[in-house]
Amino acid sequence: IAGITQAPTSQILAAGRRMTLRCTQDMRHNAMYWYRQDLGLGLRLIHYSNTAGTTGKGEVPDGYSVSRANTDDFPLTLASAVPSQTSVYFCASSETGGADTQYFGPGTRLTVL
Amino acid sequence: GQNIDQPTEMTATEGAIVQINCTYQTSGFNGLFWYQQHAGEAPTFLSYNVLDGLEEKGRFSSFLSRSKGYSYLLLKELQMKDSASYLCAVMDSNYQLIWGAGTKLIIKP
Repeated sequence: IAGITQAPTSQILAAGRRMTLRCTQDMRHNAMYWYRQDLGLGLRLIHYSNTAGTTGKGEVPDGYSVSRANTDDFPLTLASAVPSQTSVYFCASSETGGADTQYFGPGTRLTVL
Repeated sequence: GQNIDQPTEMTATEGAIVQINCTYQTSGFNGLFWYQQHAGEAPTFLSYNVLDGLEEKGRFSSFLSRSKGYSYLLLKELQMKDSASYLCAVMDSNYQLIWGAGTKLIIKP
């Protein structure tokens, strides 16, 4: 593979359930990001990681958690899903986490009922 | 607060030229990015400006004026495949991208 993969492609989830969205990159990028995209709004940063072993909160972190055990993987967990978390989720990576280009995965469309 | 403004939707004709504007107010500035996003797909990188002036890349050009908090993306010789949303994003002082809501560009034959 080359680039970023995300799984699942789409998911319908009952409110209150726990869900983990997976993200893997093979570019050996140091920085990774999770965004959500909602109609009429710009992409909003949920969490980020500038290097393996470190994570930080973005603009909308509540209700989400992340981990970065290694360089390649950056899973996003919804501990107890709520309908307002219905969105399209994009994972992205960049080489350094500085002023460099972010590359995006194909996205996960999540619906919480 | 931080704010990125761009038009919601624009319509243009195949073969013509279109300019998509973006104005911004952010905490610090480490460059401005333009991305293209086709419906149902991921954003893909188009251009990056950190200094004032025009950057040309084939049919696409991007302009930046830091003093005015203004950028535009210029698309020439429009093709049907250019129908997409165009996202403006500014990298702030924390190296986080602040995104506009995007401009949906409709190309008519």
